[in-house]
Amino acid sequence: AQSVTQPDIHITVSEGASLELRCNYSYGATPYLFWYVQSPGQGLQLLLKYFSGDTLVQGIKGFEAEFKRSQSSFNLRKPSVHWSDAAEYFCAVVPGGSQGNLIFGKGTKLSVKP
Amino acid sequence: DAGVIQSPRHEVTEMGQEVTLRCKPISGHDYLFWYRQTMMRGLELLIYFNNNVPIDDSGMPEDRFSAKMPNASFSTLKIQPSEPRDSAVYFCASSWTANEKLFFGSGTQLSVL
Repeated sequence: AQSVTQPDIHITVSEGASLELRCNYSYGATPYLFWYVQSPGQGLQLLLKYFSGDTLVQGIKGFEAEFKRSQSSFNLRKPSVHWSDAAEYFCAVVPGGSQGNLIFGKGTKLSVKP
Repeated sequence: DAGVIQSPRHEVTEMGQEVTLRCKPISGHDYLFWYRQTMMRGLELLIYFNNNVPIDDSGMPEDRFSAKMPNASFSTLKIQPSEPRDSAVYFCASSWTANEKLFFGSGTQLSVL
């Protein structure tokens, strides 16, 4: 079945450490790819998106993500995590590229240790 | 702009009652989406509108759910009758296009007892 998979339900990292959140998709064509962040009690906010071109995309708050076609992955990274980054992170895809609706992964909850 | 505005923030009701959730999208956005978020199923698209017209309602769970968009600045999601399994956070989002940057409201936490 076609899907968006975030294998890690919960990740804890120390403040200042690097972060990588994984996202895999199982759609045939290259989809549009997104990462959203949800702070407690809030709606989702777009961090970054990939449609085409350079496979390394920069987003807000110091985040970046790399599209790897061979691995059907779009992992989110940050070199140094801040306590304010504690939130839930959602990978999302539009399977048909320009056609279709956003499909969200189940999310990864990030906790940050002081 | 104040962003996407949803009301109420919290709703507690008893099984069998009618529930109406409200959303005011960002002015100028042509698309409006209703999502439901639960621990078990994550974020699910229920329905979306383009220029006030429902385009895809395949995610609406059953006939108890209905959504309307009478004008460009207002939409409602109604559940009648409500059931405990409808308990979730319901998000409204709007955007200029169908699948680019979505702007989410803060959600309505619905509890059906």
